[in-house]
Amino acid sequence: GAVVSQHPSWVICKSGTSVKIECRSLDFQATTMFWYRQFPKQSLMLMATSNEGSKATYEQGVEKDKFLINHASLTLSTLTVTSAHPEDSSFYICSAGGASGLPYNEQFFGPGTRLTVL
Amino acid sequence: GENVEQHPSTLSVQEGDSAVIKCTYSDSASNYFPWYKQELGKGPQLIIDIRSNVGEKKDQRIAVTLNKTAKHFSLHITETQPEDSAVYFCAASLFGNEKLTFGTGTRLTIIP
Repeated sequence: GAVVSQHPSWVICKSGTSVKIECRSLDFQATTMFWYRQFPKQSLMLMATSNEGSKATYEQGVEKDKFLINHASLTLSTLTVTSAHPEDSSFYICSAGGASGLPYNEQFFGPGTRLTVL
Repeated sequence: GENVEQHPSTLSVQEGDSAVIKCTYSDSASNYFPWYKQELGKGPQLIIDIRSNVGEKKDQRIAVTLNKTAKHFSLHITETQPEDSAVYFCAASLFGNEKLTFGTGTRLTIIP
């Protein structure tokens, strides 16, 4: 149980285009979803926290107009990288938490999406 | 905010020996301390966690210890196997806040 999926697993796009990444909790309802970015050989950096039906809370230094997050349901959150540039190339990982019946604070991570901007 | 330091950054261990990774945290209000294993190109996988009301937790070859006074916690892997090779991250979260703060990671290599 507690499986989180991401789609796509990798994407290559041209500079200036927008890319949408989906994060789904497959077998549980997650009240909170988190989006992380991970550069090569570095740790996970939290970008934003989203709760179903409300606006996402962005971490300091993360541009909310560039990284649009939508949490439309208890099983789906999307991250859209708008006007992507090569410096946005990274590994994007989502996690889901707040699931009823599961231990408090526990997060379940998706497999990640590798974004390459040419 | 919370700050988590992790050591060492790299660790090579002979197969069958034990590996220990240590983390320290800054905020005494933190109460949840998970450890994640991340293989190349994959998302982190929770391998064990501990909460502040417990000093030690064990799951087969993996154990975690927590010293609240010193604000540090450690991951212990015994009888290491080649498949234990990966990057390991510790993390901490504050009571009432689900946000995780991650350590910088340890690349563990098991030498056959």
